[in-house]
Parts: sequence; C-alpha cells; structure tokens
Amino acid sequence: DTEVTQTPKHLVMGMTNKKSLKCEQHMGHRAMYWYKQKAKKPPELMFVYSYEKLSINESVPSRFSPECPNSSLLNLHLHALQPEDSALYLCASSQDFGLARETQYFGPGTRLLVL
Amino acid sequence: SQKIEQNSEALNIQEGKTATLTCNYTNYSPAYLQWYRQDPGRGPVFLLLIRENEKEKRKERLKVTFDTTLKQSLFHITASQPADSATYLCALEDSGGSNYKLTFGKGTLLTVNP
Repeated sequence: DTEVTQTPKHLVMGMTNKKSLKCEQHMGHRAMYWYKQKAKKPPELMFVYSYEKLSINESVPSRFSPECPNSSLLNLHLHALQPEDSALYLCASSQDFGLARETQYFGPGTRLLVL
Repeated sequence: SQKIEQNSEALNIQEGKTATLTCNYTNYSPAYLQWYRQDPGRGPVFLLLIRENEKEKRKERLKVTFDTTLKQSLFHITASQPADSATYLCALEDSGGSNYKLTFGKGTLLTVNP
C-alpha cells in the first residue's frame, strides 16, 4: 500500500470555527509532513514529524496546531483561521527524514476555504 | 537557502514531440534532485530522482539530466501524449540546520495538444 489518505477532501469553515484535517499512511514511514499550497504556487512546508516528534515548524501561526497520535496518523487542528489561509493542504510521508535522498509520497490534499 | 527557477510557467507542445523542462538552482549543488508531477487539485507524485554523480536517469519515456556545473537539471518527456499534461515540479534539498528539507520550484505547466 503506497497510499497517503487525507480527510476531508473539501472543508469550508468560518473564522471562529475549530476543525481538524486528518492524514494516514500505512507504509511504515517514519516521517510525515504538512504542506500548504496556494494556486499556481509550489507546496510550502509547514511542519515535519519524525518518529512522532515535531522536527520542524516553519514559523507557522499558532492557529495551526499539528498532532501526531501515532506513526501512521497526522492531524492538523485549525482554529480561528483567516480567509488568506484558504489553500490546498497536503500531507506527505517519507521513509525517513533529514536525508536528502528521501522521496515523498503525497496525499490528495484537503481543499480548505475560510469564510 | 536554495532558490529554484523553472524556466517557464507554461509550455505547450504537439503530441508526439519531446517536451523539455528546465530547473535551475542558485546556491550549493544538491546531492539529489527530484522531479514530481502534479495534476490540478491533487498532490504531487514522485517521478524520478537523480544523484549529483549521475549525468542522466531514465524511466520509460522520461529522462532527467543533472549538470552541477551549470546548476541545472533538464526533464524530458519523449513521444509526449495529452495524458502527460500536468504541472511538473523540480525539488531539491535545502538544509535547515542539520536536516534536509525538500524545497519545490514553482513548476512548469505542460500542455500536450492532440
């Protein structure tokens, strides 16, 4: 199974809502990532978890809160978002982290719209 | 940090021709360079990885070259098909302290016309 799954596919939320994005992989990968992608832009790294510990936080605002409950699951909790946070949120995984040769497997993404 | 430039935002070619996409980087030469394909509204899909000591890598109709002197990678799709239409992203390591993270170029939108 080389698939990364993400739920939901689409999400519309108000600025006062709290919601969560979920990501799951069963490839035994030890590194998981959250990226944000705006239209016609490349994916931008937000967070990296390695062995279930947060390794990188790319100075992401605290209204985004990642969580890694176990080696297969990655969540992104959203609270008090702004309209400019509307984007495609991508989850990815790789065998390991910190090695330049690692290739990443991406999920289909969650299309988020903040009203 | 690395700055990556993919030569054009969009490339249109005729079916059957060879598409050539360019990726240039500005700082240190990475040990590895990767190419991904992304379809609209979907996550990127890994295609090929090339090492700095490899001049060329092939996979079916795909070919990647890596010239560390020019700080450039070329990505070729031979006998292109309309199904090859997508955005192609190059990605390379960008060191963040002691760890490497992957930084993506903006991508080139390839359209193959029947």
